[in-house]
Amino acid sequence: QVQLVQSGAEVKKPGASLKVSCKASGYSFKSYYIHWVRQAPGQGLEWMGLISPGGDTITYAQRFQGRVTVTGDTSTNTVYMELSSLRSEDTAMYYCARSVFTPHSHWFDSWGQGTLVTVSP
Amino acid sequence: EIVTTQSPATLSVSPGERVTLSCGVSQSVGTNLAWYQQRADQPPRLLIYGASIRATGIPARFSGSGSGTEFTLTISSLLSEDFAVYYCQQYDHWPLTFGGGTKVEIK
Repeated sequence: QVQLVQSGAEVKKPGASLKVSCKASGYSFKSYYIHWVRQAPGQGLEWMGLISPGGDTITYAQRFQGRVTVTGDTSTNTVYMELSSLRSEDTAMYYCARSVFTPHSHWFDSWGQGTLVTVSP
Repeated sequence: EIVTTQSPATLSVSPGERVTLSCGVSQSVGTNLAWYQQRADQPPRLLIYGASIRATGIPARFSGSGSGTEFTLTISSLLSEDFAVYYCQQYDHWPLTFGGGTKVEIK
């Protein structure tokens, strides 16, 4: 079955960097984008960015430009999201999710379990 | 950036009732809109894409409609497992944006 398995919870200090992984299995990795979406405590969903299966297309939401880096490893079907210069407002659950690799098809039919990130002095 | 707005923020309903949730976007997205359900402490689950196409395994009591700037999600008869938060998401324009959610709670 389709699985997106994320790395475990993290506690970080302000100013530090974070790297979360998302390992895909149970489907053809080449056929889907991987996106990152975050959710602050008690809040809604916020799209951060995406990477194409081969890594040749990477798009970020403007508000995260310069702070977020998404990379992929096709040998292990794993995608990574790195967020730098962490602040308290980055405390959130971070999800990876997939969308099919065709134009105008960026709905998310499978999600990771989430990685809780806490930024605290 | 397209602003995606959901109403109401909270809906108090009884099991068995029919529920209609609304989603509006600030400019036309055609039918490039999806709906998700999020239960407590779980990731979102895709319900509807293409404004009206039920995702695999989604019961027929969930239906979506609309195009352009106004969309609705209808649950024909609420079951206990349907009490959750519902989000819409547009995928016609970058960045992808979500509505703020509608919480469906037990009356």
